[in-house]
Amino acid sequence: QVQLVQSGAEVKKPGASVKVSCKASGYTFTSYGISWVRQAPGQGLEWMGWISAYNGNTNYAQKLQGRVTMTTDTSTSTAYMELRSLRSDDTAVYYCARASAAGTRDFGYWGQGTLVTVSS
Amino acid sequence: DIVMTQTPLSSPVTLGQPASISCRSSQSLVHSDGNTYLSWLQQRPGQPPRLLIYKISNRFSGVPDRFSGSGAGTDFTLKISRVEAEDVGVYYCMQATQFPQTFGQGTKVEIK
Repeated sequence: QVQLVQSGAEVKKPGASVKVSCKASGYTFTSYGISWVRQAPGQGLEWMGWISAYNGNTNYAQKLQGRVTMTTDTSTSTAYMELRSLRSDDTAVYYCARASAAGTRDFGYWGQGTLVTVSS
Repeated sequence: DIVMTQTPLSSPVTLGQPASISCRSSQSLVHSDGNTYLSWLQQRPGQPPRLLIYKISNRFSGVPDRFSGSGAGTDFTLKISRVEAEDVGVYYCMQATQFPQTFGQGTKVEIK
């Protein structure tokens, strides 16, 4: 069965960087892209970007351009999301997600979420 | 960016009664490939979102048939035929026709 398992919670100071991992299993990793979505406390969902696990192509939300980098390691079927120059409003639960099937462009499978807290 | 607007933002419902959530997009969600990439997600408290419906009206694996989606172009609806206690949570519509993918604000479904 498809599983996405994320790394654990992080506490960072303003200005620092965080790197969240998302280990995939149960499918051919390079057959699907991975999206990252975040959710600030008590708020809605915000799409951060997408990476193709096939060729590494990326598409980032404009508001995060220059601060976010998404990568994959096909040898370990793991996707990574790095966010730099952290601010207090980056405090959120970060999710990785995958489409339910080829061509559906939805988020059928989700990681469990990683809480990133930015605080001095 | 395509703006997704949901109504209502809160929906108190009686167990066993129907519920309906509307989602309107700021522009047509019909993709050049002919598909409409509109999906619905449910988020129970403390959990990741869960896919209910994709491409307007297709139920994802394991989703009860009391959930149904409909609509076209810019207007879409999620219906729950008979609300059960486990349906409490926040429901989001999401478009993936155009980058960036965008979500509605969320509709909180609670039991009266």
